[in-house]
Amino acid sequence: DTGVSQDPRHKITKRGQNVTFRCDPISEHNRLYWYRQTLGQGPEFLTYFQNEAQLEKSRLLSDRFSAERPKGSFSTLEIQRTEQGDSAMYLCASSDKSWGPELNSQETQYFGPGTRLLVL
Amino acid sequence: AQSVAQPEDQVNVAEGNPLTVKCTYSVSGNPYLFWYVQYPNRGLQFLLKYITGDNLVKGSYGFEAEFNKSQTSFHLKKPSALVSDSALYFCAVRDWLRGGADGLTFGKGTHLIIQP
Repeated sequence: DTGVSQDPRHKITKRGQNVTFRCDPISEHNRLYWYRQTLGQGPEFLTYFQNEAQLEKSRLLSDRFSAERPKGSFSTLEIQRTEQGDSAMYLCASSDKSWGPELNSQETQYFGPGTRLLVL
Repeated sequence: AQSVAQPEDQVNVAEGNPLTVKCTYSVSGNPYLFWYVQYPNRGLQFLLKYITGDNLVKGSYGFEAEFNKSQTSFHLKKPSALVSDSALYFCAVRDWLRGGADGLTFGKGTHLIIQP
C-alpha cells in the first residue's frame, strides 16, 4: 500500500531561481490538493485538482506559482522567481472519488511527507 | 468564512493520564471536522473526523473527539496518554456549503508533550 509521495523532500535554492515539486497521489485518487505550511502555522490551502482539471485556487497562489496535473495522476507545483517568503513546507494530499458537493466536503484527505523549501 | 482556533500552543500531560486538546470552529453552514497528527519531518496523518450522527467519534491510536454544536467545539481526547503520543496536533474544518471547493481550514496546531 503506497501512500502519497512527494519529491524532493528538501530543496535549497537561491532567490530568483525557479523550483518544481512533484506529488504522486494514492493510486486512483482523483482529487489532489496542494497546501503550504510555514513554521508555527497550520497548512494553508493553495489549490486543488479533480482529475486533470484545476478547480480552485487560493488567493495565496500568486502568479509566480503554477500547478499542473496533466494526466490526472501526478501533479507538479512550480514556483518562479523564488522569494525568501516562499520558504515553507509544501504539502500534497489526495482523496478518493466522491459524488456531489456535500460528499466532497466529507472526504478524508491523505497527506504526503511534504517538500521543505528554503530560499536563500 | 470558516476558521479554527486551537487555544493552547502546548499541552503537557503525564503518561497514563487522560489528555484533551481543544478546538473550536466557525463556519457558515454545517461543519465537517477533522483531526490530524504531525510527527517531526513528516506529513499529516489522519486521526478521525466528524461528519454527522453520534457526537463522540472514535479514531486511530485510541483517540476520540466530541462534537459539541452549541459550543462549536471538537476537542480531541484520549483516556490514557502514551509517551509516543507526543506530536503536533491539528484540528481542521470544512463547510459543507462550499462543496469541498476550498480545501481544509486548519488551526495553528497544538504541541502535545507526554511526560514519562
